[in-house]
Amino acid sequence: AQRVTQPEKLLSVFKGAPVELKCNYSYSGSPELFWYVQYSRQRLQLLLRHISRESIKGFTADLNKGETSFHLKKPFAQEEDLAMYYCALKAARQLTFGSGTQLTVLP
Amino acid sequence: NAGVTQTPKFRVLKTGQSMTLLCAQDMNHEYMYWYRQDPGMGLRLIHYSVGEGTTAKGEVPDGYNVSRLKKQNFLLGLESAAPSQTSVYFCASLSTGPVGSYNEQFFGPGTRLTVL
Repeated sequence: AQRVTQPEKLLSVFKGAPVELKCNYSYSGSPELFWYVQYSRQRLQLLLRHISRESIKGFTADLNKGETSFHLKKPFAQEEDLAMYYCALKAARQLTFGSGTQLTVLP
Repeated sequence: NAGVTQTPKFRVLKTGQSMTLLCAQDMNHEYMYWYRQDPGMGLRLIHYSVGEGTTAKGEVPDGYNVSRLKKQNFLLGLESAAPSQTSVYFCASLSTGPVGSYNEQFFGPGTRLTVL
């Protein structure tokens, strides 16, 4: 069975500092990985997906099959990045989510 | 389009009471899902449906039942609520496309349920 691990429940960074939210996965097939974001009291929304190799709101994520990781990165944190971030793996039209990382940006 | 909507937004139940959460989507999506979100545990899949009239168990199905009588609606029922079912419940839907295509899962706003 697939598994997604986000080792940090909480992450605090200073405004303007780099951000890295870690995600590791285990899956026997070819993975499809996503990052979802949930701002305070809002619904989850897709942030980015690995197959598109895009940058959304300054965030990027690279799939590293050797390390089975899909870390989310941003070079300069902004106050509006305050949110809960979930890494998710898609298999058989189901998403398996990690436990989430709450990102706080300090002034 | 309203997207994915959930009713109610909030509910407080006493132990042993029953209730039904309604999820509706107007995007003609085939797949629908019910998750619960708990602190430190992320989102866990309760039940899902791959089409009208079909349902399947997810990771944490015990204590819940679901029905998909109409394509646009997915109901989650609690027959006898327990304090352990205090959680935020999210519904989601997913379109189906050609093999290999990407399909985004859209989420509802959530229902905050407290069982006393």
